[in-house]
This record gives sequence, C-alpha cells and structure tokens, in this order.
Amino acid sequence: EPEVTQTPSHQVTQMGQEVILRCVPISNHLYFYWYRQILGQKVEFLVSFYNNEISEKSEIFDDQFSVERPDGSNFTLKIRSTKLEDSAMYFCASSLGLNTEAFFGQGTRLTVV
Amino acid sequence: QKEVEQDPGPLSVPEGAIVSLNCTYSNSAFQYFMWYRQYSRKGPELLMYTYSSGNKEDGRFTAQVDKSSKYISLFIRDSQPSDSATYLCAIRPIDKLIFGTGTRLQVFP
Repeated sequence: EPEVTQTPSHQVTQMGQEVILRCVPISNHLYFYWYRQILGQKVEFLVSFYNNEISEKSEIFDDQFSVERPDGSNFTLKIRSTKLEDSAMYFCASSLGLNTEAFFGQGTRLTVV
Repeated sequence: QKEVEQDPGPLSVPEGAIVSLNCTYSNSAFQYFMWYRQYSRKGPELLMYTYSSGNKEDGRFTAQVDKSSKYISLFIRDSQPSDSATYLCAIRPIDKLIFGTGTRLQVFP
C-alpha cells in the first residue's frame, strides 16, 4: 500500500542551526502539506503546496520556514534558524486532490537544544 | 469560538463496549469530515472520510455527520485493547485540515 515516508525519524539540533526535514509523498498525489504537533497539543497546519507553489500557510509558517519540491519525489521543510519552541513532531501529508483524503507520514521528531 | 472542539478525555471502556467519540464545529460551510487514529508518537492514520450529512460504515467503525447541529461522531463497536489510541476529528476547508484536540481512548481487557 502506498505511503508517505519521512526522514529522519528523529533530529536533534542546536538552537540557531538550520534543519531540513524530508518527505516522499504518495507518488500520484498532487497536494502536499506540513503539520506540526507540539508534545501534548493538537496537530496544527503549517503549509500546503500545489503545482510548485505555496497555496496556503498558517501564522506559524513565518519567514524562518520554507518548503521546496526539489525533484519529482521529495518535499522538504526547511527551518532556517531553529528556536527551542520549534521542538515538535513534524508531519508531512499528501492528497490526490482538493477535498480528498489526506494521508500522513510517521513524522519527524525535532528536538532543539 | 474554536473551529473544531473535541473532548480530550481520557475515555476508559471495557473490551467489547461501544465507544462514542464526538466533535463540534463552528462553520456550517464545512462539507468534508475525517477521523484519524493516532498512536503515541506516530502519524495520524486515516479511519473515515465523509462528505456532508449522513452515516458511513467501515467494519466496526461508523462515522456520522449532523450538519444541522454541526456535530460529528465516530462509533466503535466491539472495542478492542488495540483500539487504545487518540482519536482526532478533522474538518477540511478545501486546502488544509483543521484538527480537534483529540480524545484519548483506553480499552481495558
């Protein structure tokens, strides 16, 4: 069964460093998403991406964040200068179209020290 | 008012019980509703996807949408210890998902 894969599963980084979280969405999907879940809190939307452009972003997704689809399979989230409060689980998701089911990866646990 | 509200629980039931999980939402324009299951430190796993009002059944799971009350429900029949997880409702205003806080369910043998 096709699935969304994310790497690494756990990333530890020092405050102020740049991190790149990687995702391989389901191969025929066209819409890609990043979500964040701080420990004990709800899953929060960060950004949606379609046709090589950001289609919507939340208030959380400030200038420190960027997304890219560098080739036909990968989808990345970059955090330029990490802060302690960026520590969270980051989930990538993909869907075939608008208003269709969205499937999630297993997440990357980011720990900023 | 929050867009999606969900009782965080925890909800503890004996094996074999019928479980009812519920969410309310604020915007009557929402048409697409989802239920996800999330095990600790794992990604949300899609259980049910429904459009507009009515019921949808899949095995032991039934999703129900009442648009007049802005109320969505997930019923789990014959609950098993393996159903112990956090259940997230989500609404889909086109290009994103808005999640509830999740209800933690514990099914004990």
